[in-house]
Amino acid sequence: AQSVTQLGSHVSVSEGALVLLRCNYSSSVPPYLFWYVQYPNQGLQLLLKYTSAATLVKGINGFEAEFKKSETSFHLTKPSAHMSDAAEYFCAVSDGDAGNMLTFGGGTRLMVKP
Amino acid sequence: DTGVSQDPRHKITKRGQNVTFRCDPISEHNRLYWYRQTLGQGPEFLTYFQNEAQLEKSRLLSDRFSAERPKGSFSTLEIQRTEQGDSAMYLCASSLEGGVAYEQYFGPGTRLTVT
Repeated sequence: AQSVTQLGSHVSVSEGALVLLRCNYSSSVPPYLFWYVQYPNQGLQLLLKYTSAATLVKGINGFEAEFKKSETSFHLTKPSAHMSDAAEYFCAVSDGDAGNMLTFGGGTRLMVKP
Repeated sequence: DTGVSQDPRHKITKRGQNVTFRCDPISEHNRLYWYRQTLGQGPEFLTYFQNEAQLEKSRLLSDRFSAERPKGSFSTLEIQRTEQGDSAMYLCASSLEGGVAYEQYFGPGTRLTVT
């Protein structure tokens, strides 16, 4: 069984500040890991994904995440927050071959203050 | 690539009524997934198809829920005798089997409100 825990349901940063959204996972198989962003009343857009290649993954809009197996973590970062980054962010783990269903964390709402 | 589309975007229904949602995946994708997202939560897996075959169903999918993908293209999700607890966003996603990291592309969702 897989699970994802996102620490902090709400994170508030000032514009230009570092963004750090935390994600820890558990998986019985080597995981595929994803970060999605969701804007109000919209579906999910993929930010980045870990597929067992490089442990530091770069995504869209300046986001990146680092896979740390020893810590079972996949935290999302961005050096400088923009107002447009305000949204809900979801970390997800996939079981890969076994149907590839995604198990999502509870989400973190990012607020960006001017 | 026109993306995943869902119809309707919003549905308000009275308790006890039946509703049906439609999802059109990206045309070359043979996998199609349904998820449910309640307010303030992450999406939860409901079911998925590979072509027209429904290969897995979550225990969240009660017997009031049924999903079909008759020709391996679009899919429908029907909820019979709706209950207030069915109020949620229903998300559809599609992927190409064996595609890079099995990436799933999501539609905009159908928001169901049961009054």
